[in-house]
Amino acid sequence: DVQLVESGGGLVKPGGSLRLSCAASGFTFSSYTMNWVRQAPGKGLEWVSAVKSTSAFIHYADSVKGRFTISRDNAKASVFLQMTSLRVEDTAVYYCVRSGRGFDSWGQGTLVTVSS
Amino acid sequence: DIQMTQSPATLSASLGDRISITCRASQNISRWLAWYQQKPGRVPKLLMFQATTLESGVPSRFSGGATGTDFTLTINGLQPDDSGVYFCQQYTSYPLTFGGGTKVEIK
Repeated sequence: DVQLVESGGGLVKPGGSLRLSCAASGFTFSSYTMNWVRQAPGKGLEWVSAVKSTSAFIHYADSVKGRFTISRDNAKASVFLQMTSLRVEDTAVYYCVRSGRGFDSWGQGTLVTVSS
Repeated sequence: DIQMTQSPATLSASLGDRISITCRASQNISRWLAWYQQKPGRVPKLLMFQATTLESGVPSRFSGGATGTDFTLTINGLQPDDSGVYFCQQYTSYPLTFGGGTKVEIK
């Protein structure tokens, strides 16, 4: 079975940094584009970033461009999201998501709270 | 960026009803559209991809339609388990974008 397990969320002050990790298993990780999607409390879904299978192509939402960096380690079947200059509006559950047939596999999410 | 306009925002219907949710793309996305269901406190679940293809394990009462830039998710015979929030998403070009969501309530 496909499994995606996020970690690294927590409480951070505005302007701070956090690094999210996602450990994947149950599929050939290196063959898939991986994404981060977030959901602010009581709000809808917002795609954040994507990294193609070989890291040759990386994309970001305008809302995080220049502040967040996505990366992956195919040998460790993991994807990461380095978040800097965090803002209150970055508060959300962050999901690690596989691109297959649409977004076909989601992790359970990790909560990031940005507050003073 | 491609905007996805989803309607209605809220829908209340009775068990057994046929309901439809609409998603309109601001430009051509071919059929690169997916539908997701999310229940409170749960992870979104893929229902449909490529606009009309049912994900494995999803009941056949769910169906998808596509006409130009207009897409529909239809539930034939609403069941108690169908309550939740439904989102559409285009995945033809970055940034990938979601509709605002439709909350389905059972009367």
